[in-house]
This record gives sequence, C-alpha cells and structure tokens, in this order.
Amino acid sequence: GENVEQHPSTLSVQEGDSAVIKCTYSDSASNYFPWYKQELGKGPQLIIDIRSNVGEKKDQRIAVTLNKTAKHFSLHITETQPEDSAVYFCAADDNNNDMRFGAGTRLTVKP
Amino acid sequence: SAVISQKPSRDICQRGTSLTIQCQVDSQVTMMFWYRQQPGQSLTLIATANQGSEATYESGFVIDKFPISRPNLTFSTLTVSNMSPEDSSIYLCSVAWTGDNEQFFGPGTRLTVL
Repeated sequence: GENVEQHPSTLSVQEGDSAVIKCTYSDSASNYFPWYKQELGKGPQLIIDIRSNVGEKKDQRIAVTLNKTAKHFSLHITETQPEDSAVYFCAADDNNNDMRFGAGTRLTVKP
Repeated sequence: SAVISQKPSRDICQRGTSLTIQCQVDSQVTMMFWYRQQPGQSLTLIATANQGSEATYESGFVIDKFPISRPNLTFSTLTVSNMSPEDSSIYLCSVAWTGDNEQFFGPGTRLTVL
C-alpha cells in the first residue's frame, strides 16, 4: 500500500521568512496530493492540492510542487505570518479515495 | 465544500462503556469516512461509511469495536465500543463526492477514556 513520509516533523521560522515542507510517496498510482492545515482543537482544513498532471500550483502565499518521477511533492509558504502556525499534513490518494497521510509538520512562526 | 458538524465535540468516558459520535453534513455527499488521530499523531482511516450497506473497514479495525451507521446521504455515526484508555483519540469524519478526490473534515470529537 501507499506510504507517505513527511519532513521535517517540526519547523520554526521567523515571521516573513519562507517555510518548505517535503513529502515522498511510494505508490506510483497515486495521482492526487492534498495539503491540510490543522490548528489546535480543530479538524484538518484543505489548503491546496495538486494532481499528477500538473507540476506546480500556486494560491497567494502558498504553492505546491510535484515531481512525479521522483515521487515527491512540497509545500511552500512565503512571507509567513504568525497565523500560519499550525500542524500541516500532506497526503496521497490513488483516485479511490484511499488517502494516506504523512506524519505531520508542526510549523511555528515567530513574530 | 460542505459544512460538517460532529457531536459531541469532546467527552470523558469510563473504560468498558461505549460512545456514539455523530457526523452531520449540510448537503448530500457520496462518501463519508471516519478517521482516528491519536495524540500528536497523523490521521488513520478507520472505515468508509456506505449508505445502505455495511461499512468498509481498514486493516486493524473491526465492526464489533467500531460499529458504523449511515442511514442517509447527510448523516453517519461511529460507535467506540467497550472503551479502554488506548481509545483516547480525536475521531474525525470526512466527506467527499464520487469522482472528486477532495475530502473535507469535520471539527473532530476529542475522546478521553479513564
């Protein structure tokens, strides 16, 4: 089955700096890669996703890149703000709603 | 997307008892899922709730321990049976539509078993 690895487990950046979180997956059949943000006491919120026919997608300060050959994808947050502090999860799905999640990255943005 | 609510939001239970968690969606959805998130951990899929038929369970999860109902396209319940402290977790429901990978999560139910 699918195995998703996520790094780093914790990340601390200064406000205004960029943050990058990386994930790798094992199943070449996976073709959908969402990113979720989970704030304390809340459910995961879908913030951006990318499909295997696209190499990069951007939404304001957030971007995701996908290297299908190498089976890795990354989340990039620019101009970080304190409200970006949360746990971020990557996931991979093989189009059967069989979604597997990474272990999570706790991002802290220091003002 | 959809607006998803869960009840209760949190509970503290005694070992050996059972708790039923409700998930309500504001629109009809094709697929509903139940996840477990142990403290400080990632999300693990428990089962897919199927309307009109038995839920489909992932390896390591069984119907006797986690019975699931899905009477219609907007509602599902998960019961955690004969609880032990190891069942202390956040339980999350999520929804999706056929042909669309996007899953949207409810706010979660934080369960503590003493």
